[in-house]
Amino acid sequence: GAVVSQHPSWVICKSGTSVKIECRSLDFQATTMFWYRQFPKQSLMLMATSNEGSKATYEQGVEKDKFLINHASLTLSTLTVTSAHPEDSSFYICSARDAQHVYNGYTFGSGTRLTVV
Amino acid sequence: GESVGLHLPTLSVQEGDNSIINCAYSNSASDYFIWYKQESGKGPQFIIDIRSNMDKRQGQRVTVLLNKTVKHLSLQIAATQPGDSAVYFCADLGNQFYFGTGTSLTVIP
Repeated sequence: GAVVSQHPSWVICKSGTSVKIECRSLDFQATTMFWYRQFPKQSLMLMATSNEGSKATYEQGVEKDKFLINHASLTLSTLTVTSAHPEDSSFYICSARDAQHVYNGYTFGSGTRLTVV
Repeated sequence: GESVGLHLPTLSVQEGDNSIINCAYSNSASDYFIWYKQESGKGPQFIIDIRSNMDKRQGQRVTVLLNKTVKHLSLQIAATQPGDSAVYFCADLGNQFYFGTGTSLTVIP
């Protein structure tokens, strides 16, 4: 079945530095990928929709200059948290859909636990 | 705005019993719903989906019921096992990517 790989699974960084998170579709092509953020004991919140070859679409309240998204190929989208601060510490998850499959289910990555110290 | 929300934040069941997790939605135009299971520290996993032209769909040990009249769907897990302990989300992916807060299911051995 469709597999989405997310890397790294966890990262600790110093306040003010930038962190890049990768999301890869391993066995299918994804023109669209999605980035979510999840705080403890809360639901997933959609941050942005990553579009291959074009600009990402950000949800209201999400700073595009802080959360840089690049979707340079059909199998890779990256999320860069720039100038990270402790309040950016969260669980970041990506998802993608294999349009070749009959059902329109979305496959999620395993998530990246970001801790900013 | 539109929302997808769950009735109960936590649910504890005895191993072997059946579990029922509920979800309400408000967008009457929603036409596609998915249930996800999220174990601690992991990304959500697809469990089962249902389209609005159906009112019931069955999978392995799971059944999803959709009541469009009252905009409610439920996930039923038969013979709940300890491995079923997780947070369960419903999502309306027909229009927007709204996730309910989730129901934390705890299976008591």
